[in-house]
Amino acid sequence: KQEVTQIPAALSVPEGENLVLNCSFTDSAIYNLQWFRQDPGKGLTSLLLIQSSQREQTSGRLNASLDKSSGRSTLYIAASQPGDSATYLCAVSSSGSARQLTFGSGTQLTVLP
Amino acid sequence: EAQVTQNPRYLITVTGKKLTVTCSQNMNHEYMSWYRQDPGLGLRQIYYSMNVEVTDKGDVPEGYKVSRKEKRNFPLILESPSPNQTSLYFCASIPRYRANYGYTFGSGTRLTVV
Repeated sequence: KQEVTQIPAALSVPEGENLVLNCSFTDSAIYNLQWFRQDPGKGLTSLLLIQSSQREQTSGRLNASLDKSSGRSTLYIAASQPGDSATYLCAVSSSGSARQLTFGSGTQLTVLP
Repeated sequence: EAQVTQNPRYLITVTGKKLTVTCSQNMNHEYMSWYRQDPGLGLRQIYYSMNVEVTDKGDVPEGYKVSRKEKRNFPLILESPSPNQTSLYFCASIPRYRANYGYTFGSGTRLTVV
């Protein structure tokens, strides 16, 4: 059964700092990997999706990488801002017809002004 | 606008009173799914549907029912809610065979069972 782990569970950084969030998964037979942002009590906003055949995706200040063979993904946030404060969730979509999404427990990011 | 719409956003109910949380998507997606989110447990899949009239259990299906009579709708039914079903619920959809397309989630339904 797929397991997804995110480290660290919480991170606090000063504004302007570059940071990396980590995600690891146990089964490399994935369809794709998606990073989400969740504000407290709110829904999930999709940030980036990386297909299993891709190595990275970029959107603005965000860059996500995927190393399927080692079961790892990173989310790089450049020049962090207080508005980036949220919980970031990594989710892996399994191969096969079920397309089940398995989530990590998230990294709670606080960017201090 | 392409979206997944859940209703209601907030619901307080009493133990044993049947309720339905609706979910509708306007993107013609084959695959729909329900998740619940609980502190310390993260997001867990309740049920999913790969297409009309095709549903299957996820990781935590006990106490829930679903139906998929139309492609756009996937309601979640709690026939006899209990306090341990107090949670934040999300519906999601995705086209089944497009690897370059990610999940779209609804805004969530916060359910409290007293």
